[in-house]
Amino acid sequence: DQQVKQNSPSLSVQEGRISILNCDYTNSMFDYFLWYKKYPAEGPTFLISISSIKDKNEDGRFTVFLNKSAKHLSLHIVPSQPGDSAVYFCAASGGNAGNMLTFGGGTRLMVKP
Amino acid sequence: NAGVTQTPKFQVLKTGQSMTLQCAQDMNHEYMSWYRQDPGMGLRLIHYSVGAGITDQGEVPNGYNVSRSTTEDFPLRLLSAAPSQTSVYFCASSLPYQETQYFGPGTRLLVL
Repeated sequence: DQQVKQNSPSLSVQEGRISILNCDYTNSMFDYFLWYKKYPAEGPTFLISISSIKDKNEDGRFTVFLNKSAKHLSLHIVPSQPGDSAVYFCAASGGNAGNMLTFGGGTRLMVKP
Repeated sequence: NAGVTQTPKFQVLKTGQSMTLQCAQDMNHEYMSWYRQDPGMGLRLIHYSVGAGITDQGEVPNGYNVSRSTTEDFPLRLLSAAPSQTSVYFCASSLPYQETQYFGPGTRLLVL
C-alpha cells in the first residue's frame, strides 16, 4: 500500500497561470516533506521542502502548503512557465533510519505557451 | 564537484546474468542510497547506507546486494538478473540527518 500518493498522473496548465500539484500521505510518522522535479533522462532535483511544524514554505515562484490534519500537501507554481514542464515527485521522510525518502508516483506537468 | 555519478548510463542484460551498477559521490556525504523508478510507482528504496561498512534494506531489496567499503562509493549488484528488474536506477547521497538527497543521472537497465 503506497504511503505517499499523487492521484493526478498529469496536469496541463497555460503559461502564466497557477499550477497546483497535490500529494496525500498516510503515515503519521512522516515529519518532513519534499518536492523533486525530474526532466527526462536526468535524475530528480530537489525543489522545495517543508517541515511538519510549518504549514507553508515559499521559495520564489514555488510554495508548498501542508495540512497535517488532512495528511495533504500541495505545491503551487505561480506563474507557470514552459520550463516548468517536468515530472514532479512528492516525497516524505521520518520514522526511519538514514532519513530515507518515500516517494509518490509523480505528476507530469505540461505548461503550454 | 561532479556530485553523484553513475555508470553505465544504459545496459542490456540477459536473464540470469550478473552486473554491478556503479555509484560515486565527491561531496563527502555519509548517507547513500539506491532507488528504482518504475512507471506510476515513483521511486522505491532498494538499499541504503549511513556510512562505510553499514548497509540496510529498503522497501524492495530482493535480488540486489550492496556493500560500502568507502565513503565515496556505493555499488549495487544484481547477482542473477530477472525481467522484473528492468527499471531506471538512481543513486542518491545526503549529509547525516539532512532529508534533502542529491541524485545521480540514473542507469537504465533492460533485462531480456
